Amino acid sequence: RKEVEQDPGPFNVPEGATVAFNCTYSNSASQSFFWYRQDCRKEPKLLMSVYSSGNEDGRFTAQLNRASQYISLLIRDSKLSDSATYLCVVNPRDSSYKLIFGSGTRLLVRP
Amino acid sequence: NAGVTQTPKFQVLKTGQSMTLQCAQDMNHEYMSWYRQDPGMGLRLIHYSVGAGITDQGEVPNGYNVSRSTTEDFPLRLLSAAPSQTSVYFCASSSTENTEAFFGQGTRLTVV
Repeated sequence: RKEVEQDPGPFNVPEGATVAFNCTYSNSASQSFFWYRQDCRKEPKLLMSVYSSGNEDGRFTAQLNRASQYISLLIRDSKLSDSATYLCVVNPRDSSYKLIFGSGTRLLVRP
Repeated sequence: NAGVTQTPKFQVLKTGQSMTLQCAQDMNHEYMSWYRQDPGMGLRLIHYSVGAGITDQGEVPNGYNVSRSTTEDFPLRLLSAAPSQTSVYFCASSSTENTEAFFGQGTRLTVV
């Protein structure tokens, strides 16, 4: 089983739609969680951190469910510019610094 | 604002050649790491460093060496290139293990 698993997609949605991605992680001791965005042939960039209480940044909402070991990302009112690959990232905190990346979920927002 | 600078951006090597991918950051970050990204597999950690003079192996370290003689620089050396090392390589840095990781623009390496 992969440490971090994501549905690869693609999710193909119209502008204005609401779309949600889930990501599961295997290490129950994981402490830090992030969503990164990666545009085609570009480097990943931090979209948002995921806190235990959940957090919201404009149209983006991230949630953590420790009991079920998954994190989610909700995008409201999708824009064309949201088209990208969204990477789920977990720091397992197993006494060392490692960021474990999911393989990403691709989002396509159509006009 | 330089951030994380990787060179070269593109490279073609012949099997058996060696080379060094350069990575430098100007943010005084302690944590630096190297990843490779292959289609459908996400980013996989090759080596990482938690400070100058300290390095450790990640998930896929075979065929690669690193050193961290200064806080700023974290070069990745391919000892004897193989076609299986064809990939996109990213260097990243962060101030702590829980904060944002900043990535370089990547190096697209092809081994023929």
